[in-house]
Amino acid sequence: DTGVSQDPRHKITKRGQNVTFRCDPISEHNRLYWYRQTLGQGPEFLTYFQNEAQLEKSRLLSDRFSAERPKGSFSTLEIQRTEQGDSAMYLCASSPLMGTGELFFGEGSRLTVL
Amino acid sequence: AQSVTQLGSHVSVSEGALVLLRCNYSSSVPPYLFWYVQYPNQGLQLLLKYTTGATLVKGINGFEAEFKKSETSFHLTKPSAHMSDAAEYFCAVKFGNEKLTFGTGTRLTIIP
Repeated sequence: DTGVSQDPRHKITKRGQNVTFRCDPISEHNRLYWYRQTLGQGPEFLTYFQNEAQLEKSRLLSDRFSAERPKGSFSTLEIQRTEQGDSAMYLCASSPLMGTGELFFGEGSRLTVL
Repeated sequence: AQSVTQLGSHVSVSEGALVLLRCNYSSSVPPYLFWYVQYPNQGLQLLLKYTTGATLVKGINGFEAEFKKSETSFHLTKPSAHMSDAAEYFCAVKFGNEKLTFGTGTRLTIIP
């Protein structure tokens, strides 16, 4: 068990560019979550998957954001036409289907939009 | 509305002193409760959790927390602070089948 891994760890981009983050969850975990964390704040929920189905999306997830989890394994989070306000840490977490709600987090992907 | 509140965005304690980080929630149903720790530029690591059973929960690194239903609180404590405890601490709650909701965090500074 290698834990949740995220790639890239850091991304610097110019405003207007598209970026994609990848998350590989713990292999036996059915649920996968994306959270966003800005400086001085707690993680804010963006979306979650159960297997390949995207079951919930936050209002924070504007139409420039899209997440996928093909085949119920890894997930990608794409941000199109990035804005400076998108600068944040994007955290991925996974959990088993049956459990106490504990989430297992990756190291995060930090996005800086110039 | 269901919510979680962490009182004090910054807490400073001397090395060896008691650490007390406060967390209160608002809910009509008993939640599951968690404390996570985050070191700079890293993800979140679970310190401890309360689901059911004993209300005093022990976690890693000498931390513990007590669920007090009457006070709707889940404060985190450690008897003696260590320099390595300096980090950001997040209280999180899960209400029923809802997603995990985090507080705004408390930055703990240890004074040598």
